[in-house]
Amino acid sequence: NAGVTQTPKFQVLKTGQSMTLQCAQDMNHEYMSWYRQDPGMGLRLIHYSVGAGITDQGEVPNGYNVSRSTTEDFPLRLLSAAPSQTSVYFCASSYSHRPANYGYTFGSGTRLTVV
Amino acid sequence: DQQVKQNSPSLSVQEGRISILNCDYTNSMFDYFLWYKKYPAEGPTFLISISSIKDKNEDGRFTVFLNKSAKHLSLHIVPSQPGDSAVYFCAAYNTDKLIFGTGTRLQVFP
Repeated sequence: NAGVTQTPKFQVLKTGQSMTLQCAQDMNHEYMSWYRQDPGMGLRLIHYSVGAGITDQGEVPNGYNVSRSTTEDFPLRLLSAAPSQTSVYFCASSYSHRPANYGYTFGSGTRLTVV
Repeated sequence: DQQVKQNSPSLSVQEGRISILNCDYTNSMFDYFLWYKKYPAEGPTFLISISSIKDKNEDGRFTVFLNKSAKHLSLHIVPSQPGDSAVYFCAAYNTDKLIFGTGTRLQVFP
């Protein structure tokens, strides 16, 4: 089925460990982005990409790294996990960076716990 | 500094009545506004959007109103149904970034 696929769905990390959250889309979307959702904070933009080879920072980029080597994939790397990074992470994609009349398509999320 | 604010964390409405969800923003450069709906353990799903050059957009039971002078938008759901119970996020777009509010939990009871 076409859509945004995030893996893993759940992950527990120890403080200081690194990991990569995977995001893939098969809709040939140029625009992809990562958000984190925390209670009372809504969704906050971490990093985004307007096309392969192009990435930029969002509202809360510290502690996270991204790259976009292909149109389909946009992995999010945690370099040294901290308890403050405990959150639900969502990946989104869109045909265009301008959401216009169709918005962004979101994946089902990765729930990350850092202990 | 929160650019998009939803000041009501929750709203409870009887089935069949109107639900009105509100959103305020601070950045006058936003040029699209969107509403998303989110069920537990799922990603947000797009509901409806409005361009900054319009003041109203309708799609079935959902209508979004934009008041640029007040930097305020609202989502009207008429009639409300139990399946509408979810968290609703407003979002605003400018220069490659879609910024979300904190969400309003809507409960529609029979």
